[in-house]
Amino acid sequence: AQSVTQLDSQVPVFEEAPVELRCNYSSSVSVYLFWYVQYPNQGLQLLLKYLSGSTLVKGINGFEAEFNKSQTSFHLRKPSVHISDTAEYFCAVSRKGGSYIPTFGRGTSLIVHP
Amino acid sequence: DGGITQSPKYLFRKEGQNVTLSCEQNLNHDAMYWYRQDPGQGLRLIYYSQIVNDFQKGDIAEGYSVSREKKESFPLTVTSAQKNPTAFYLCASSSQTGTGNTIYFGEGSWLTVV
Repeated sequence: AQSVTQLDSQVPVFEEAPVELRCNYSSSVSVYLFWYVQYPNQGLQLLLKYLSGSTLVKGINGFEAEFNKSQTSFHLRKPSVHISDTAEYFCAVSRKGGSYIPTFGRGTSLIVHP
Repeated sequence: DGGITQSPKYLFRKEGQNVTLSCEQNLNHDAMYWYRQDPGQGLRLIYYSQIVNDFQKGDIAEGYSVSREKKESFPLTVTSAQKNPTAFYLCASSSQTGTGNTIYFGEGSWLTVV
């Protein structure tokens, strides 16, 4: 079985400050990892994903994430946030091999203050 | 433009009634999904389908039913057996399950029981 834990339900931050949203996963096999963003009253859209290769993954809107196998983590970072980054962020994990459906975390609400 | 269309955006249901949420995709994806989203609980998988005329239960299938008669369509029926149906429902699709494929989401449908 696979599981994912987003350690913070809410992260408040001031505009232009850096931010890190934390994600840890549990799986007995190799995994694919994803970060999605959801703006209010909308569906989710992919920010970035890790499939293999370089552990530092760059995504849209200036976000990046680093896969750390030893710590089973995939934290999302942005060096300088904007008001428009206020949204819900979801981490997801999927086992490699076979037709596994990704498991989503409970989400982290990023609130950017002016 | 290619994408996933969910309708209606808002739906009110009286207790004891069945309602059907529509989901259509023109991405030529084989796999389609239905998720339920409740505050603080992230996304929970209701049903998914990997191919036409076939579908599997997800984590919370009780009180829901689906059909997959066409590749582009995956409607969800919320039956009167679902005890707490008020939620935000998200339809999604991907080229196939597994293999790290990106899941694309519709804009969601709000269902409220009155």
